[in-house]
Amino acid sequence: NAGVMQNPRHLVRRRGQEARLRCSPMKGHSHVYWYRQLPEEGLKFMVYLQKENIIDESGMPKERFSAEFPKEGPSILRIQQVVRGDSAAYFCASSPNRVDEQYFGPGTRLTVT
Amino acid sequence: GIQVEQSPPDLILQEGANSTLRCNFSDSVNNLQWFHQNPWGQLINLFYIPSGTKQNGRLSATTVATERYSLLYISSSQTTDSGVYFCAVDYSQGAQKLVFGQGTRLTINP
Repeated sequence: NAGVMQNPRHLVRRRGQEARLRCSPMKGHSHVYWYRQLPEEGLKFMVYLQKENIIDESGMPKERFSAEFPKEGPSILRIQQVVRGDSAAYFCASSPNRVDEQYFGPGTRLTVT
Repeated sequence: GIQVEQSPPDLILQEGANSTLRCNFSDSVNNLQWFHQNPWGQLINLFYIPSGTKQNGRLSATTVATERYSLLYISSSQTTDSGVYFCAVDYSQGAQKLVFGQGTRLTINP
């Protein structure tokens, strides 16, 4: 049973470019969560999605960040016009239902130059 | 919001030693998970333990929800146990969003 998949594992973008991070949940999981790990701030919740719906985006920055989880395909975290402060590890997690254990992917390490 | 505090922040031990890591939280929680972040940055699920005690090999965990703390025990440490151990809790209504502690950095020397 494959775990949570994330790609790319490493992503380098120049300031002002767009970053797209992909997450495929575990088989049978329809709940997806995104977290960000900044060097001095630890791991923080960003957004919680179910298929075609954003349930809670209280941790998302108000500008430049968006997320989706379409009916078909992976969940996407999109960062427009990246800045150096966006450099971080972005983790995706999935669970089979809202109140169950979350399983994490290997993360995408974004570096903005 | 809820506060999650882990102690100690750093722990350096010799191979074969035992250790206890603590996680205190400031409010009632729905769920609690322990993770190991290995030197390659991957987050490994250790325990899903909103209450009670669980054991998995050399690792065990206990959560006393009424007193708002959880303990992670590591026995007979190995160098591969090195890394950062995180406790994370879910206290939210409606959406399960984990709040992480700052972690305990464990270094096991050979």
